[in-house]
Amino acid sequence: AQKVTQAQTEISVVEKEDVTLDCVYETRDTTYYLFWYKQPPSGELVFLIRRNSFDEQNEISGRYSWNFQKSTSSFNFTITASQVVDSAVYFCALERNAGNMLTFGGGTRLMVKP
Amino acid sequence: DAGVIQSPRHEVTEMGQEVTLRCKPISGHNSLFWYRQTMMRGLELLIYFNNNVPIDDSGMPEDRFSAKMPNASFSTLKIQPSEPRDSAVYFCASSRVLYEQYFGPGTRLTVT
Repeated sequence: AQKVTQAQTEISVVEKEDVTLDCVYETRDTTYYLFWYKQPPSGELVFLIRRNSFDEQNEISGRYSWNFQKSTSSFNFTITASQVVDSAVYFCALERNAGNMLTFGGGTRLMVKP
Repeated sequence: DAGVIQSPRHEVTEMGQEVTLRCKPISGHNSLFWYRQTMMRGLELLIYFNNNVPIDDSGMPEDRFSAKMPNASFSTLKIQPSEPRDSAVYFCASSRVLYEQYFGPGTRLTVT
């Protein structure tokens, strides 16, 4: 069975602070994909990143960075110098290689205050 | 390219009525997914199609729910009869096989 846990249900920070959103996953597959999606107040789900299980290199995209640690089954997401526009619910998700089915975590609501 | 298109964006209906949600995937994508989002259960996969064929419908809650994909550019999710507990946001997503899924804006369904 697959499972994604986002232990932080809500995080509140002040603008310009760095913030890390945690994601821990469980799977028996050796090949799988990990994702982060953003859901702003408008409600749509926006794709942020996809990482396969064989690529443990950290990734940076502007103020966003992701840390994939296979040894601890974690795929954490850091926003540097947070901005009010980063306020949203962020979902981590896991996809089986063969199935293309996403299992989502419960989401972390990030509130960035000015 | 246009993204995933869903209609209607909002639907309010009375218990017992039939509800049909519509989705147009991104052109060239051959996988299509229906999800439901509620506060209690989060994001749940209901059903997905590859090349218009239903692959896994184990997430469909019960026989009142049905989904079709008559061609590569159109899918429907039907609830008949609807119940208040079906109130949720329903998302459609599409992808090329083994690539990331792109989500539509969602349909907010309220059943009174």
